[in-house]
Amino acid sequence: GDSVTQMEGPVTLSEEAFLTINCTYTATGYPSLFWYVQYPGEGLQLLLKATKADDKGSNKGFEATYRKETTSFHLEKGSVQVSDSAVYFCALSDPKNGGATNKLIFGTGTLLAVQP
Amino acid sequence: NAGVMQNPRHLVRRRGQEARLRCSPMKGHSHVYWYRQLPEEGLKFMVYLQKENIIDESGMPKERFSAEFPKEGPSILRIQQVVRGDSAAYFCASSPPGGRQPQHFGDGTRLSIL
Repeated sequence: GDSVTQMEGPVTLSEEAFLTINCTYTATGYPSLFWYVQYPGEGLQLLLKATKADDKGSNKGFEATYRKETTSFHLEKGSVQVSDSAVYFCALSDPKNGGATNKLIFGTGTLLAVQP
Repeated sequence: NAGVMQNPRHLVRRRGQEARLRCSPMKGHSHVYWYRQLPEEGLKFMVYLQKENIIDESGMPKERFSAEFPKEGPSILRIQQVVRGDSAAYFCASSPPGGRQPQHFGDGTRLSIL
């Protein structure tokens, strides 16, 4: 079945460092890919998305490119801030059966801790 | 411009009691999803509903769990005869109709079983 694998954390960085969180996926169809962020005690917020190969999603300095050839959707940011400390989830949605279901399949999450 | 509203935020139940979790989707959203997050794990899909219909319940446990999304009112996730293993954060998400729409999440209900 469909699945998402993302790098384990925690990832600890100093402020202004470069961030990469790896995410790879397995899907039988043509999935949409997402990154969500979860701050402590809160729900998930959509960070960015890409719906087809070679699309680049970007938001708040974060970006990720949908790479079909490597089945990857790595999250990057050039200069992290303390306020970026959170758990980041990679997810896919792979509508099948004419779009009858649009459920998200999540990776296990990566905790990012940014130190001043 | 209210987001997805879940209540209660925290719910404590004793083993054998019933738990009812509520979710009001964003305005204009007719699709609702429930996910469960166990401690130190990612979110797992439970059920997908549209108004008055269950579309996909492939992630729901076969017993004790049920969900509904009536024509009027919030979506309800119901857990009967709760056990310690039901302790988790339960998240609701909603999306508008149409394919490949992103889902917007509520802040979750944290269920604790004594």
